[in-house]
Formats: sequence, C-alpha cells, structure tokens
Amino acid sequence: DAGVIQSPRHEVTEMGQEVTLRCKPISGHNSLFWYRQTMMRGLELLIYFNNNVPIDDSGMPEDRFSAKMPNASFSTLKIQPSEPRDSAVYFCASSLAGANSGNTIYFGEGSWLTVV
Amino acid sequence: SQQGEEDPQALSIQEGENATMNCSYKTSINNLQWYRQNSGRGLVHLILIRSNEREKHSGRLRVTLDTSKKSSSLLITASRAADTASYFCATDSQGYSTLTFGKGTMLLVSP
Repeated sequence: DAGVIQSPRHEVTEMGQEVTLRCKPISGHNSLFWYRQTMMRGLELLIYFNNNVPIDDSGMPEDRFSAKMPNASFSTLKIQPSEPRDSAVYFCASSLAGANSGNTIYFGEGSWLTVV
Repeated sequence: SQQGEEDPQALSIQEGENATMNCSYKTSINNLQWYRQNSGRGLVHLILIRSNEREKHSGRLRVTLDTSKKSSSLLITASRAADTASYFCATDSQGYSTLTFGKGTMLLVSP
C-alpha cells in the first residue's frame, strides 16, 4: 500500500502567488482530511470530505483557501493569494470512514510551505 | 479550539526509563487515539481506546482512559532512542466525523 501521497513535499513561494497542494488518498478510503500544522496553533483541521463531498469546511481560514475533490483518488488545496502567515506544514489524511467510528486516520508526509 | 491538551509539553528521559504522557479533553468522546510524529514526517496511529474501555496495551504501550476526569495517559515502557518523537492524543465525539488533536508532547530519549 503506497499510503497517502502528497505533493509537493516542499514549496517556497513569494507572497501573492498561488499555491496548489495535491493529495492522493489511500485507495478505498472514502474520507479525506486536510490539516495544517504550525508551532503556535498545533494541528488544525481545515476541511473534511466524505465520498468526495465537502462535509465540514469550518476550519478553512478565509476565502483565500479553497479545496476540491473531483474524484475519489485526488484532492487539491489551493491558496490564492498566498501570505507569509500561511507558512506551515499541510497534511492530507484519509480514512475508511468518518473518524467518529474509531477509524484510524492515515497521514501523508506533508507539504512544507514557506511564503516569503 | 483544541479538544485535547497534552502534558507535559516536552519530556526528556534516558533509554530504558518509562515515559508517561497525559492528555486532557473537554467534551464527551466516543474514542481517543494516540498518534506519533517523527521529525519532518506525518502522524502515525499508535493505539485507540474506546470510551467504555479503561486500559489498553499494545507492545510497550499502555493507554488508560478516565472518562470521569476526561483524561488519558500514554505510557511507553523501557524507552529507546528510536521512541524520540512527538506524541499526540486525538478525540472524536458523537456527531463529528473528524479527529481533534492536541498540541502534543515532545519526547526525547537519550542513549
């Protein structure tokens, strides 16, 4: 099993540029999560998809952030325009079903974003 | 807001010693999970304990759950340098299909 695959692993971009992070969940998993991790705020849930439909996007910081899941094997998180305060590690994760059934969430290795 | 809060924030021990990390949470839960994160890597699931369980073991890991105190502890016995990592508790609640993570405990095990 290849696990959750994220790209790019590292990205450095200038303020104002568009950033697109990509994720391929584990095959057969119907729940997908985007988390953001910073030293100050820890691990924050940005958005949760179930069967490709956004269920909870209350964690998306503002309109500059958008996420899509066009099919069961691909999701993107887009930041436009990017700002220095967006610098963080962005994790994509997937699970067989929603986490409230005690399902394990499997994380990708993260996309390390630096906005200068 | 964060549901879980780990304590201590950082822990430094010698190989062979036991490491105990605590987690407190605020609302009723269905399950509590512990995850581990090595530096520069993603989180990896360690163990799950359900709200009707009080203790669970997996290898060198022992997890306890006290729902009356809304707290859990993770004990790593006979620690090894390879156990150096950050450890997070995560909770799920009735009606929510997502996990809420604490800020983690950074464990350093020195040879």
